[in-house]
Amino acid sequence: ETGVTQTPRHLVMGMTNKKSLKCEQHLGHNAMYWYKQSAKKPLELMFVYSLEERVENNSVPSRFSPECPNSSHLFLHLHTLQPEDSALYLCASSPQRGQGDYGYTFGSGTRLTVV
Amino acid sequence: AQTVTQSQPEMSVQEAETVTLSCTYDTSESDYYLFWYKQPPSRQMILVIRQEAYKQQNATENRFSVNFQKAAKSFSLKISDSQLGDAAMYFCAYRSAYTFGNEKLTFGTGTRLTIIP
Repeated sequence: ETGVTQTPRHLVMGMTNKKSLKCEQHLGHNAMYWYKQSAKKPLELMFVYSLEERVENNSVPSRFSPECPNSSHLFLHLHTLQPEDSALYLCASSPQRGQGDYGYTFGSGTRLTVV
Repeated sequence: AQTVTQSQPEMSVQEAETVTLSCTYDTSESDYYLFWYKQPPSRQMILVIRQEAYKQQNATENRFSVNFQKAAKSFSLKISDSQLGDAAMYFCAYRSAYTFGNEKLTFGTGTRLTIIP
């Protein structure tokens, strides 16, 4: 248990489905991130939330919709996905500057398969 | 924008031997942080070691050490006395020191390390 928990661990969904990925941390961190990890590509930053406000959105298609209801929880809502969206989705959290160590803590990811 | 390059998609090393993983990066900034992360089959990314650009001394964590060459923009990871548990994907990552409240990491494509018993 790393302190960042992601559910579900695996998800298979059809292109017309709607599903949500959940990320939870109780480390007292104020920033949370969604990354997409595809084979043989660098991790792609999708969204950043700092103090529950979205501070970055890297031109992610609107079929991905993030939600950060509080500093401990982060969701990624999925709808009408494409097969190329199949990937490992990683959540991470970090303290803000001045709160000590600047490293990320990652979850174990959700392996998403779109059929 | 910053970029991180790992030119070795795969590496292998005999158990108990030493291996070095390469990483280069491109940035116009003078202050930043560099990291090596390990991702075993469990998929969880684990921080192995980090380096602050303003520190000239190379970081060391037990069997893991880095060779940080700021002028060459090179940041290699050396693993000594390799163990079976070191088998994983290793990612090099960069973070600017100038952002606040958004500690975004830029990753390389990774190096898959195999340990040969």
